[in-house]
Amino acid sequence: RKEVEQDPGPFNVPEGATVAFNCTYSNSASQSFFWYRQDCRKEPKLLMSVYSSGNEDGRFTAQLNRASQYISLLIRDSKLSDSATYLCVLPRDPGAGSYQLTFGKGTKLSVIP
Amino acid sequence: DTGVSQDPRHKITKRGQNVTFRCDPISEHNRLYWYRQTLGQGPEFLTYFQNEAQLEKSRLLSDRFSAERPKGSFSTLEIQRTEQGDSAMYLCASSLESGNEQYFGPGTRLTVT
Repeated sequence: RKEVEQDPGPFNVPEGATVAFNCTYSNSASQSFFWYRQDCRKEPKLLMSVYSSGNEDGRFTAQLNRASQYISLLIRDSKLSDSATYLCVLPRDPGAGSYQLTFGKGTKLSVIP
Repeated sequence: DTGVSQDPRHKITKRGQNVTFRCDPISEHNRLYWYRQTLGQGPEFLTYFQNEAQLEKSRLLSDRFSAERPKGSFSTLEIQRTEQGDSAMYLCASSLESGNEQYFGPGTRLTVT
């Protein structure tokens, strides 16, 4: 299994829809996770941090399933401005002094009027 | 603007030339990271500094690449004898020592002709 795997999409959804992305990871020792969003030709921007079983911020909910080694991102009431690529991210191994982030390839979301 | 800044934003160079990029992190962040991103991929880790010490380097960082952070503030990434395969977006990020969240600059897009 690759370190971080994501469905590349694209996910094309109408405005107002609910959409969910999954991400699987191979390092069972991973304790924290991040979702970043990246607009075309822009830098990744931190969307959510997940340190326990999940996190919710407005329309966005991230959940972690340690037993199955996947994390999910749920977006409710999609807006046109949510159109972007969503990157699933794991810290490599902070406990061993490695602070590099490992990124998935990203899932592309297009919200359609 | 108090975010991470990078200079230049775009660089076009001929194969075999040397290039140098600069990154200025968020002022109170003592960790600084360099990543590389090619089309359709997530960012890939290159190297990481804590203050002026370079603590981690990826296997991607060949001997043609060198990074410095001489005073623990800004950092430079130099690529010697550029190759067409070096064409990519070079991203810099910074973080606090107490957290894993990394904040990215706008990147330097390198094109090697």
